[in-house]
Formats: sequence, C-alpha cells, structure tokens
Amino acid sequence: EDQVTQSPEALRLQEGESSSLNCSYTVSGLRGLFWYRQDPGKGPEFLFTLYSAGEEKEKERLKATLTKKESFLHITAPKPEDSATYLCAVRLRNNNDMRFGAGTRLTVKP
Amino acid sequence: DARVTQTPRHKVTEMGQEVTMRCQPILGHNTVFWYRQTMMQGLELLAYFRNRAPLDDSGMPKDRFSAEMPDATLATLKIQPSEPRDSAVYFCASGLVLMGRPNSPLHFGNGTRLTVT
Repeated sequence: EDQVTQSPEALRLQEGESSSLNCSYTVSGLRGLFWYRQDPGKGPEFLFTLYSAGEEKEKERLKATLTKKESFLHITAPKPEDSATYLCAVRLRNNNDMRFGAGTRLTVKP
Repeated sequence: DARVTQTPRHKVTEMGQEVTMRCQPILGHNTVFWYRQTMMQGLELLAYFRNRAPLDDSGMPKDRFSAEMPDATLATLKIQPSEPRDSAVYFCASGLVLMGRPNSPLHFGNGTRLTVT
C-alpha cells in the first residue's frame, strides 16, 4: 500500500539551531515529491518539487533532498517566522493523485 | 498572484442539513482536488477532476457526498445530509497536468471550516 510517513511529529528549535525533517515513502510509482508549508488557518503553500533521487532544491534557509526512499527538508539557522507545519506529498504514477504525510509541526523559539 | 478561492470560509450547520462548498480554481489549471483535513487524519483526498471529468472519488462517502464541476471556473462539494463527524476543514486545490511534462504542484485555497452540531 502507498504510504507517506513524516518524522518527527513535532520539533522545537531555538533560533539558529539547524535541523532536518524527514519524509519516507513507499509507493508503487513516484511522479514527484512535493514539500509544502502550512500556517494556522491557511491552506498549504508550495515550497519544492523533487523528481529524481539525488535532486536538491534550495530556497532561503530551506533545502530539500531526495533519495529513492526518503526526502529531507533541511532548515539552516531557522528564525521564528519559519514556525509552521511542513507537509510532504507524493504524486503517484498510476493514478496521478497526491498523497500527503501527516506533517511535522515546527516551532522556532527566539 | 493567482489564487484558489474557496467559499464560505466558515460554515456552522446542524446535523441533517445540506452543505455546499465552492471553489474557483486558478484560471488555466485543468485539475481540481478536494481534500479534508482533521487533526486525527491529516489531509485526506476526497475526489479529483481533470478537465472537469471526475477521475477518482473513492475517498468520498458516496451516500452523502457529491462533487461536481459545472464549468471550468467552479467546483462544488456537497454534503447531504451532514453529520457531526463531517466537521473538518475542506480544501480545494488546483494544478496543471500536461502530457509529457512534469506535473505542476497543487495550489491550495484557504479552506472551508465546517462545523456540524
């Protein structure tokens, strides 16, 4: 069965303390892995798309990487405004739908 | 910036009443997805459309939920009759899928928060 698992469920960091969020997947065919950020009361906001193992994307303090089994979202020197829930999703080859993980709730303390 | 627009933002209704949620996808996008988000289940796919045709609605309780796209600028999700367990945030998202091209990401609206008492 297609599954997307994110860890940890919640992460508390001090401002400037770098860390990584994990998204592991077992799917029958991958057509892309997507990272989103969700703020309270808002819809998920697109961050990155990764298509093949070894690919990396960067945006400000965030860097996403992809292997054949998992993706990492690295946060370098985070700031309080990076506090949000980070969701990963996979697009399946067979039917093209998008499956989301449960998310990691990140809190960055000043 | 182009946005997905959902209405209403909040809806409180009594059990048994009909609820209709509306979504205006981004102009030019040819896929529309409906998701439901709860604390317990996270984001669950309910249904999705491509070029206004339903491709998959296996995530929806068929006896009470229905999804339609009357035209390219409007998608609707209806619940009749509503039940307390339907209380959740319902998100609509749109994207562009072209043959032979990498899939674009989905762009989400800000959701409809439904409370059924």
